[in-house]
Amino acid sequence: EPEVTQTPSHQVTQMGQEVILRCVPISNHLYFYWYRQILGQKVEFLVSFYNNEISEKSEIFDDQFSVERPDGSNFTLKIRSTKLEDSAMYFCASSEKRGQYNEQFFGPGTRLTVL
Amino acid sequence: SQKIEQNSEALNIQEGKTATLTCNYTNYSPAYLQWYRQDPGRGPVFLLLIRENEKEKRKERLKVTFDTTLKQSLFHITASQPADSATYLCALEDTGGFKTIFGAGTRLFVKA
Repeated sequence: EPEVTQTPSHQVTQMGQEVILRCVPISNHLYFYWYRQILGQKVEFLVSFYNNEISEKSEIFDDQFSVERPDGSNFTLKIRSTKLEDSAMYFCASSEKRGQYNEQFFGPGTRLTVL
Repeated sequence: SQKIEQNSEALNIQEGKTATLTCNYTNYSPAYLQWYRQDPGRGPVFLLLIRENEKEKRKERLKVTFDTTLKQSLFHITASQPADSATYLCALEDTGGFKTIFGAGTRLFVKA
């Protein structure tokens, strides 16, 4: 069964460093998402992406964040200068459709630890 | 502001019983609502979607209801099993359909 994959599974970085989290969505999916989940808290929407541009972003997704689909398979989230509060699990998700047919498939997540 | 509320207290039930979880929302008029399951350290897994014109949806041992007047959805697991122990998340889309908002989830423990 097709699945969303994410790398790395765990990333440790120093505050102020740049990190890139990578995702490979399901191949025929058109809509891509990033979420984060701080330990013990709820899943928070960061950004959605369709047709090579951002469709929607949350207030969390400030100028320090960017997303890219550099080729036909990868979908990346970049944090330019990490802060301690960026420590969280980051989930990538993809869906074939949107709206009421929007079943999102989530990846296993990347645990980001900022020291 | 838009808000989704799920019972933050864990739900403990005996194997074989029916678990009922609640999702309430305010300042939303969603066309549909979704339920996901999340295990510790894992990503959410889609379970069911119910549309505003559907009062009830079933899938195997799962049943979801959607009351747009009460602004509430109920999620039932019948004949519960220890393997059903997980956190269950309610989710709504904003009007544009590109932003999914999750509730904090309810942790379910099913004891053998």
